[in-house]
Amino acid sequence: DAKTTQPPSMDCAEGRAANLPCNHSTISGNEYVYWYRQIHSQGPQYIIHGLKNNETNEMASLIITEDRKSSTLILPHATLRDTAVYYCIVRRETNAGKSTFGDGTTLTVKP
Amino acid sequence: KAGVTQTPRYLIKTRGQQVTLSCSPISGHRSVSWYQQTPGQGLQFLFEYFSETQRNKGNFPGRFSGRQFSNSRSEMNVSTLELGDSALYLCASSIRTDSYEQYFGPGTRLTVT
Repeated sequence: DAKTTQPPSMDCAEGRAANLPCNHSTISGNEYVYWYRQIHSQGPQYIIHGLKNNETNEMASLIITEDRKSSTLILPHATLRDTAVYYCIVRRETNAGKSTFGDGTTLTVKP
Repeated sequence: KAGVTQTPRYLIKTRGQQVTLSCSPISGHRSVSWYQQTPGQGLQFLFEYFSETQRNKGNFPGRFSGRQFSNSRSEMNVSTLELGDSALYLCASSIRTDSYEQYFGPGTRLTVT
């Protein structure tokens, strides 16, 4: 699975959009981009995933660049409950159960 | 629908002992993966079971083992515990082995003294 790079921490004002970047320059054609988050003392929570098209669900939007070497997770209206560590993972679908999560980005939403 | 449950939530053991952790996946999910999370190493994949068979394995010593039962419940066992085994052990379930949506349990916090 391709390696990902994320900033260690970010701040966001409550009610504003949080844009979390992820670099995955070695991604291969059959690898998906997945995002999870982990709120303190809880297990990680699946957020969204995509291959090459932008995706949106009730939690977030995922923007993947045309060359697929980077992506951005967007939380449109961040709340204090969105404070968590966000993990970006790249993996083949057949390796779905095999991921090792990196250090992620600690997002702090401030009032 | 109930989420992934793990028991026990907290456990204290001494070096040299063994421990068994349990995970009950979401109803209908047949794949269970186990992860170890430590402050220094992050979240690392241990192994995955599907239909009672180990499908994938991470880079952990043989002291770490697991199994899955016909009802998809899974257990992991760590023998000859070491101080470095202190961690949060998480299990995640998904509908099938290649599913991209994994749902994690709350974890078992293991402390080895």
